[in-house]
Amino acid sequence: EPEVTQTPSHQVTQMGQEVILRCVPISNHLYFYWYRQILGQKVEFLVSFYNNEISEKSEIFDDQFSVERPDGSNFTLKIRSTKLEDSAMYFCASTQTGQGAMPAFFGQGTRLTVV
Amino acid sequence: GNSVTQMEGPVTLSEEAFLTINCTYTATGYPSLFWYVQYPGEGLQLLLKATKADDKGSNKGFEATYRKETTSFHLEKGSVQVSDSAVYFCALSDQNSGGYQKVTFGTGTKLQVIP
Repeated sequence: EPEVTQTPSHQVTQMGQEVILRCVPISNHLYFYWYRQILGQKVEFLVSFYNNEISEKSEIFDDQFSVERPDGSNFTLKIRSTKLEDSAMYFCASTQTGQGAMPAFFGQGTRLTVV
Repeated sequence: GNSVTQMEGPVTLSEEAFLTINCTYTATGYPSLFWYVQYPGEGLQLLLKATKADDKGSNKGFEATYRKETTSFHLEKGSVQVSDSAVYFCALSDQNSGGYQKVTFGTGTKLQVIP
């Protein structure tokens, strides 16, 4: 069964450093997303991406965050200067279409720890 | 905006007990509804879905019915097993005005099944 894969599974970084989280969405999917889950809290939407541009972003997704699809398979989330409060599990997701009825398929997540 | 409210956990049940996890939602459009499950140390997995009123989603013995009149999507299972221990997230998916999907999650309910 096709799946969304994320790397690394766990990343520890120092405050102020840049991190790049990587995702390989399901191959025939066209819409890509990042969500995050701070420990013990709900899963929150960060950004959606289609046709090489951001389609929607939340208030969490400020100027420190950026997304990119550098080639035909990878989808990345970059945090330019990490803060302690960026520590969370980050989930990548993809869907075949933008329709609400289409379930999003999530990766295993990258646990980011900022120290 | 859209929102999802789940019963708070943790929920502790004995094996073979009946499970209900309540979920209600608020949405401006006609969302699709999902239950996702997160096993310890793993990512989010789609458990079941329902895309319109009165639809019943089912998988692995779990069921949930899309009730538009009560804006609810309660998760049920007749006889839980230890292997069902996980965090369960109720979620809705809708399209924004730009035609892009966004998933809104509940806070998650931790289920612990004891032998």
